[in-house]
Amino acid sequence: GNSVTQMEGPVTLSEEAFLTINCTYTATGYPSLFWYVQYPGEGLQLLLKATKADDKGSNKGFEATYRKETTSFHLEKGSVQVSDSAVYFCALSEGVSGNTPLVFGKGTRLSVIA
Amino acid sequence: KAGVTQTPRYLIKTRGQQVTLSCSPISGHRSVSWYQQTPGQGLQFLFEYFSETQRNKGNFPGRFSGRQFSNSRSEMNVSTLELGDSALYLCASSGGLADKETQYFGPGTRLLVL
Repeated sequence: GNSVTQMEGPVTLSEEAFLTINCTYTATGYPSLFWYVQYPGEGLQLLLKATKADDKGSNKGFEATYRKETTSFHLEKGSVQVSDSAVYFCALSEGVSGNTPLVFGKGTRLSVIA
Repeated sequence: KAGVTQTPRYLIKTRGQQVTLSCSPISGHRSVSWYQQTPGQGLQFLFEYFSETQRNKGNFPGRFSGRQFSNSRSEMNVSTLELGDSALYLCASSGGLADKETQYFGPGTRLLVL
């Protein structure tokens, strides 16, 4: 079956440091890939997505590139802020019409200290 | 455009009771999915409804059920609550014309079973 593997957390960084959160996936077809973020006490917010190979998703300084050859979708940010402290989830979906369930990684907790 | 709303936000129940959670999707979205989030199991798919029909179902016991109304609002019900049902229940909607594959999440309902 489909699966997503994320790097274990927690990750603690100083403000303005470079962030990478690794994500690899296993899928039978050609999935869409997503990063969601969850702030304390809240639901999931879509951070960025990519729907086909070599697509780059970006939002709020975060980027991730859909790499089919390495089945990866690593999240990066050049300079993190304290406000980026949250839990980040990598996810995939094989449907093109929103009718297949999201499969999530276990999440990576990021703490950014001033 | 209003986001996904869920009510109630918090619930405390005792073992053996039943509970009903409600979700209103983004206007125009016809698909509603439900997920359970726990520290141990992470994010797990419960079921998905489209046009009042259950289209997908996860691996949960029959105590978990749902339905969708003609206005796309959805409810999920858990009967005979167990301690292990304590979790954050997240609803997501999808089906926007330009963005079919993306699921947008509500803030969740946090259920505590005593």
